[in-house]
Amino acid sequence: EIVLTQSPATLSLSPGDRATLSCRASQSVSQYLAWYQQKSGQSPRLLIYAASNRATGIPARFSGSGSGTDFTLTISSLEPEDFAVYYCQQRSHWPPTWTFGQGTKVEIK
Amino acid sequence: QVTLKESGPVLVKPTDTLTLTCTVSGFSLYNPKMGVTWIRQPPGKALEWLAHIFSNDEKSYNSALKNRLTISKDNSKSQVLLTMTDMDPVDTATYFCARTYYFVSGNLFFDYWGQGTLVPVSS
Repeated sequence: EIVLTQSPATLSLSPGDRATLSCRASQSVSQYLAWYQQKSGQSPRLLIYAASNRATGIPARFSGSGSGTDFTLTISSLEPEDFAVYYCQQRSHWPPTWTFGQGTKVEIK
Repeated sequence: QVTLKESGPVLVKPTDTLTLTCTVSGFSLYNPKMGVTWIRQPPGKALEWLAHIFSNDEKSYNSALKNRLTISKDNSKSQVLLTMTDMDPVDTATYFCARTYYFVSGNLFFDYWGQGTLVPVSS
């Protein structure tokens, strides 16, 4: 099973700062990687799919990059509503199964 | 408007079998570009994928839980069911259903989620 390791576990930043979140896979996942945002008490929301494609309605300040085993989610300038937990997720080829990383919490400094 | 709504028991006893229902609207369970998946999240912990079902009824399961899980669907009722046998207090979690969507180049991810249902397991 492919394991996703996210770092850091917690990121303490201020509104307006740039956030850089990392996700590393234990073996190549090609570009089968997504990022989700989960605010406290809410369901997760899809931000990025196929490593770098923004989902419908996601602001341009969110961007994803990477392929193979190393991926990055960047929030160019944090808005107050961006403080949340972010999960990366990979999809194995066939039959499709999915695993999530353990999450990165972006908190207000 | 795509919506998914989970329903199930308010409390489960250890060794019981859990049955959860996901009722969907705004899309068809026949659509070949879509499927439905179940995910859970213990309090304060990370997300864990459980099971998935395609429009053609093909299924896949989390290997660690495969022996305890069964996913099925009733197209006429727009419902997807998940059963989990031999429940234990460690299975206490919020259980979500979500729509899987086939994006480009084999990318199949979860684009709409239900609100989740908390399932406590306790005697």
